[in-house]
Amino acid sequence: KQEVTQIPAALSVPEGENLVLNCSFTDSAIYNLQWFRQDPGKGLTSLLLIQSSQREQTSGRLNASLDKSSGRSTLYIAASQPGDSATYLCAVSPPSLTFGQGTILTVHP
Amino acid sequence: SAVISQKPSRDICQRGTSLTIQCQVDSQVTMMFWYRQQPGQSLTLIATANQGSEATYESGFVIDKFPISRPNLTFSTLTVSNMSPEDSSIYLCSEGGINTEAFFGQGTRLTVV
Repeated sequence: KQEVTQIPAALSVPEGENLVLNCSFTDSAIYNLQWFRQDPGKGLTSLLLIQSSQREQTSGRLNASLDKSSGRSTLYIAASQPGDSATYLCAVSPPSLTFGQGTILTVHP
Repeated sequence: SAVISQKPSRDICQRGTSLTIQCQVDSQVTMMFWYRQQPGQSLTLIATANQGSEATYESGFVIDKFPISRPNLTFSTLTVSNMSPEDSSIYLCSEGGINTEAFFGQGTRLTVV
């Protein structure tokens, strides 16, 4: 059974810092890995999708990498802003999406 | 990217009653998914809904408690039946995710009192 772990569980940083969120999964036979953002009490917003054949994806200040063989992904956020404060979730498939517990990020001014 | 409209966004319900959550997708999709997110927890898949067939439920979830409808390729409903305070959660619908990008509705925040 696939298990997804995210480290750290919570992170508090001052504005402007570059930071890394980690995601690991136990079964390397994945189709893709997706990073999401969730604001309190809200739904999920897709940030980046990395397919199993890819090594990384970038969108603005976000960069996600995937090392499928070692079962790891990292989400790099450059020049963090208070608006980045949210819970970040990673998920892998198949058969359906299996989610990690999330990293709660707080960026303070 | 798909846009999914989910409603209601939140509700406070009396125990013993039922609530039906609706999700509308702006394009035709084969499968839709329903998740539960209990307070402080991550998402757990409740069931997969295919048009024209019964939903497939994950271990620990049953049709009598969480009946699902999928009348066409753009719409699905989840009913939370005979509610108790333990059903207080955020419920989310989504499409995609098996080998494509997944998109989610805005979530329904349910409180049972």
